[in-house]
Amino acid sequence: GAVVSQHPSWVICKSGTSVKIECRSLDFQATTMFWYRQFPKQSLMLMATSNEGSKATYEQGVEKDKFLINHASLTLSTLTVTSAHPEDSSFYICSANSGGGLAAYNEQFFGPGTRLTVL
Amino acid sequence: AQTVTQSQPEMSVQEAETVTLSCTYDTSESDYYLFWYKQPPSRQMILVIRQEAYKQQNATENRFSVNFQKAAKSFSLKISDSQLGDAAMYFCAYRSAIWGGSEKLVFGKGTKLTVNP
Repeated sequence: GAVVSQHPSWVICKSGTSVKIECRSLDFQATTMFWYRQFPKQSLMLMATSNEGSKATYEQGVEKDKFLINHASLTLSTLTVTSAHPEDSSFYICSANSGGGLAAYNEQFFGPGTRLTVL
Repeated sequence: AQTVTQSQPEMSVQEAETVTLSCTYDTSESDYYLFWYKQPPSRQMILVIRQEAYKQQNATENRFSVNFQKAAKSFSLKISDSQLGDAAMYFCAYRSAIWGGSEKLVFGKGTKLTVNP
């Protein structure tokens, strides 16, 4: 199957700093990427939908200015956590849809996740 | 809005036995997909099985099969001949199949499966 990578896999930062997480589709072009947040022993919570070349669509309750998403190319989306605080510590997962977005079914492939710890 | 409910926070099964994980969903859409994802301790999400709502035949992937009851909005996962490697969190998910509709996945809260040797 298609491969989605995330970098870094684990990051520790100081409170007040910004952290960028990259999500790449390695062997396919992804017009749509998704960013999720997962707390321990909980389900995935969708944060935003990212479409190549356009602004991300954020879910209700997600701060747009806090979680900046950029989808600059068909293989790369980035999530920047700005002015991170300890409550932003979490596991962040990205996923990418194969196909052109118009077909009835595009499988969603998941990255391995990034563990963010804010001290 | 669509919702997915997994009523079993935890389940356990003996190795080589069969276990069934429950999932119900709510939607007003006529066309959609249903999924079961596995999340092992590595936390990598792995697609286990997919069901298209328009198909009456239940999907099967080796030891994994589903019981899809569209009228009851039920989508259970049966794991046969359970193996130690099946131990993981299992998430049921819904996705619209409406042309031009949302490609978002709606997840249930998950069921933690323990496999006892």
